[in-house]
Amino acid sequence: KAGVTQTPRYLIKTRGQQVTLSCSPISGHRSVSWYQQTPGQGLQFLFEYFSETQRNKGNFPGRFSGRQFSNSRSEMNVSTLELGDSALYLCASSLDRTPDTQYFGPGTRLTVL
Amino acid sequence: AQSVTQPDIHITVSEGASLELRCNYSYGATPYLFWYVQSPGQGLQLLLKYFSGDTLVQGIKGFEAEFKRSQSSFNLRKPSVHWSDAAEYFCAVPGGSHGNLIFGKGTKLSVKP
Repeated sequence: KAGVTQTPRYLIKTRGQQVTLSCSPISGHRSVSWYQQTPGQGLQFLFEYFSETQRNKGNFPGRFSGRQFSNSRSEMNVSTLELGDSALYLCASSLDRTPDTQYFGPGTRLTVL
Repeated sequence: AQSVTQPDIHITVSEGASLELRCNYSYGATPYLFWYVQSPGQGLQLLLKYFSGDTLVQGIKGFEAEFKRSQSSFNLRKPSVHWSDAAEYFCAVPGGSHGNLIFGKGTKLSVKP
């Protein structure tokens, strides 16, 4: 089975712009979670989608949003980019059962100038 | 609230030496515990997980971890480290809501030749 894929792998934007990141989960996985990883804050949960619905959200401003499509692919969007949004954004997919295991993609490295 | 502590930020071991990375958790119920590894610029790869049963869990790449409820610990071990094991290691527990993992700050492993 193919793993979790994320596109693009690298992105450079300037302050004030917006960006959209994409994630394709492992085939058959219906839950997709997004994380932000920075040297200072470590790995932080952004949100989780299941069946095209956001079920859970972390403590991030409304500039961070996402969606999930009927094929379980997910996108996250960051509007009005700030320098502090520079980070590695990781997507993880799971089957959605308890207990469950998340499988991570390679990440998208976003740099905001 | 759930939390994970990895007391060691950086560890250096010689190739061929044994390794133990520490993880302490705070979790209200029977914990589900994970160890992930991240190579530079890459996503997270699952090394092993504990859901229930045998407290000694075997993982990939020759790693194992032992769950000790009395010490709230889930330490990762490897009997003989290889240079390719140099990476950052993360311990994680479920965050109590859908799709949310809480990670420790990570332990960076360096391997001396």
